[in-house]
Amino acid sequence: DADVTQTPRNRITKTGKRIMLECSQTKGHDRMYWYRQDPGLGLRLIYYSFDVKDINKGEISDGYSVSRQAQAKFSLSLESAIPNQTALYFCATSDYDEKLFFGSGTQLSVL
Amino acid sequence: GIQVEQSPPDLILQEGANSTLRCNFSDSVNNLQWFHQNPWGQLINLFYIPSGTKQNGRLSATTVATERYSLLYISSSQTTDSGVYFCAGRSSGTYKYIFGTGTRLKVLA
Repeated sequence: DADVTQTPRNRITKTGKRIMLECSQTKGHDRMYWYRQDPGLGLRLIYYSFDVKDINKGEISDGYSVSRQAQAKFSLSLESAIPNQTALYFCATSDYDEKLFFGSGTQLSVL
Repeated sequence: GIQVEQSPPDLILQEGANSTLRCNFSDSVNNLQWFHQNPWGQLINLFYIPSGTKQNGRLSATTVATERYSLLYISSSQTTDSGVYFCAGRSSGTYKYIFGTGTRLKVLA
C-alpha cells in the first residue's frame, strides 16, 4: 500500500461546485503539505501543516481551505471551484528533516 | 523571491548515454532535493542533498551550497529514466520549498 494516499485520482466538476480532495498517510510524519502543479510548471505550495493544530498558508492559498482532521489526514477544499483551478494536486508529507514524500496526485478539471 | 533555474529544459538521450542536469538558485536555499516525475505523474524523491555528494545506483547528485547550485548525474540511462526531473530548495527563514520548472528527459531505446 502507498505511504501517502490521495483520493480521488481524477475528478471533473463544474464551476461553482464545492469539492474536497483527501490525503492520508501511514508514514507517521507530523508535517503535511498540499501542492498544485500546472502544465510545464513546477509545484507551488497551497497550504502546509506541522501538526493537527497548526495550519499555514502557502504562496497560492486564495480560493482554497484545508482541514487537518488527524495526524494522518489532511484535506483540501475548493469552496467554489473555478476553471483556473484545473490542475494536478499533490499531497506530501515530511518528517523534521523535511525530506518530502508525495502522493500519486489528483487530476482536477473544473469545467 | 528566490528563482530556480534548471537546465537543460529538455533532453533526449539514447539508451546507455550519460547526462548531467543542473539546478541554479538565485539565493541561498536549504535542504535541496531532487525529484523524478514519471510519465504517470508520480513524484519520487531521488535525493535529499543539502550539501556534498550522494550516490544511488546509476544516479548521483552533488550540491555546492556556497555556489548555489546542484547537479544530478544519470549514468547508463534507461528508458525508465524518462520523465521530468525537478529540484527544490527551501528559502531561509520560511518553510516554503521553491521548485524549478524541471528538465524533461526522454530516453530512446
